[in-house]
Amino acid sequence: DQQVKQNSPSLSVQEGRISILNCDYTNSMFDYFLWYKKYPAEGPTFLISISSIKDKNEDGRFTVFLNKSAKHLSLHIVPSQPGDSAVYFCAASASSNQFYFGTGTSLTVIP
Amino acid sequence: DARVTQTPRHKVTEMGQEVTMRCQPILGHNTVFWYRQTMMQGLELLAYFRNRAPLDDSGMPKDRFSAEMPDATLATLKIQPSEPRDSAVYFCASGLPYEQYFGPGTRLTVT
Repeated sequence: DQQVKQNSPSLSVQEGRISILNCDYTNSMFDYFLWYKKYPAEGPTFLISISSIKDKNEDGRFTVFLNKSAKHLSLHIVPSQPGDSAVYFCAASASSNQFYFGTGTSLTVIP
Repeated sequence: DARVTQTPRHKVTEMGQEVTMRCQPILGHNTVFWYRQTMMQGLELLAYFRNRAPLDDSGMPKDRFSAEMPDATLATLKIQPSEPRDSAVYFCASGLPYEQYFGPGTRLTVT
């Protein structure tokens, strides 16, 4: 049973526009959330995180929003660049014991 | 440039054969994770260790999978006997609480 869900397997966005990747979770005990980025033939790399005590965290072009009541988080990339084309995984943890990952969303940024 | 290494990068084997995947975590990281990436499930946690002790291996099929950390510089994941449904990319990650660094993965194909 997937505790972390990414319902959009793929997303295409024009260069310069905003990319919004969504993630839903079911476990209300999750208190830490991360986004990873994965290029083909490489392992996932950490992108950005957010603790449940916050509702927003920003790092350059990347912003993660957390809506605890809806059990929903999203990753915004502004402006999107062709190098952002990758698979994005969200992950959630309850007190850092282990991380539950979603199935990933493949982002394509069109030049 | 510290990174997690995994060997082999690719493995093709016949059903019934034993497969051993190896991982060298980043020196100083006290937690090691094994994940399997499939299209349907995304990144599934198979097992994880903290300070070389197994903490959770509930994600592994116990009858055929085993994970060990013979020392702090080596983690192994074995499948015996392998089956076609085991075909996937297997990732090792090492980390500290709330930070995980992934290796490049082992792509396993069982025919």
